[in-house]
Amino acid sequence: EVQLVESGGGLVQPGGSLRLSCAASGFTVSSNYMSWVRQAPGKGLEWVSVIYSGGSTYYADSVKGRFTISRDNSKNTLYLQMNSLRAEDTAVYYCARFSSGPYYYYYYMDVWGKGTTVTVSS
Amino acid sequence: QSVLTQPPSVSGAPGQRVTISCTGSSSNIGAGYDVHWYQQLPGTAPKLLIYGNSNRPSGVPDRFSGSKSGTSASLAITGLQAEDEADYYCQSYDSSLSGPNWVFGGGTKLTVL
Repeated sequence: EVQLVESGGGLVQPGGSLRLSCAASGFTVSSNYMSWVRQAPGKGLEWVSVIYSGGSTYYADSVKGRFTISRDNSKNTLYLQMNSLRAEDTAVYYCARFSSGPYYYYYYMDVWGKGTTVTVSS
Repeated sequence: QSVLTQPPSVSGAPGQRVTISCTGSSSNIGAGYDVHWYQQLPGTAPKLLIYGNSNRPSGVPDRFSGSKSGTSASLAITGLQAEDEADYYCQSYDSSLSGPNWVFGGGTKLTVL
C-alpha cells in the first residue's frame, strides 16, 4: 500500500528550529517529485517546497532561506528542516507525492500523508 | 490572498447539483496549465478528487466532474450527499515567478443542507 507518514511536529519558540520527517512506503521517494504543503489554522493549502527526483530543490518565497527539503534514499524518507521559525509558520504540514509525467507544470499531488502539526509560540 | 480565487462557501440540498468555481489569470489557468481538485473532509488530509481538469482517480464517484475554460475552472457535484460536506480546493501551476510554483485556491466549504 502506498503511504506517507509524517512526524516531528511540535511546539517551538519563535526563532527556533524543527525537523519534520515523512516516511514513505509502497513506492520510492527518490523516483518521484516530493513536496511539503502546509495549512495554517482555519486557512487554505499552501505549497511550501519540492524536491525533484534528480535532487533539485525549490521553495515558496515565504520560507526561502529558512527551510530546507531533503531526502534519505536509504530510509525512503523525506525531510523538512525548518529554521528561524515564525508565528506565521504555525500550521499542519503535509507531505505529498507529485504525479509523474513529462511536464512538471501539469503535476498534481496524488498521495498525501495525514500531516504533522507545528506550533510556533512563546 | 490566494492566486486562484474560489467562493468561500456553497450549499445545496441532498440530491441537488452544485458547482464550485476557480478563477485564475494568464500566468496560471489561462496559460494552459491543468487544474486539479482536492476534497478535504473535516479533520483529515486533502484527497485528490479531479486531475488534469476533468479526470477522476479510481474510486471517485462519477457524481464529481471538472471542467476548464479560459482562465477559470469548475467542479460540479451532482446528486449531493451528506458525505460530500467538506472543503474543496483547486490547484494549478503559476509561471509568474522565476522558480516552480504550484498554487492553490483559497478553498470552498460545501454545506449539505
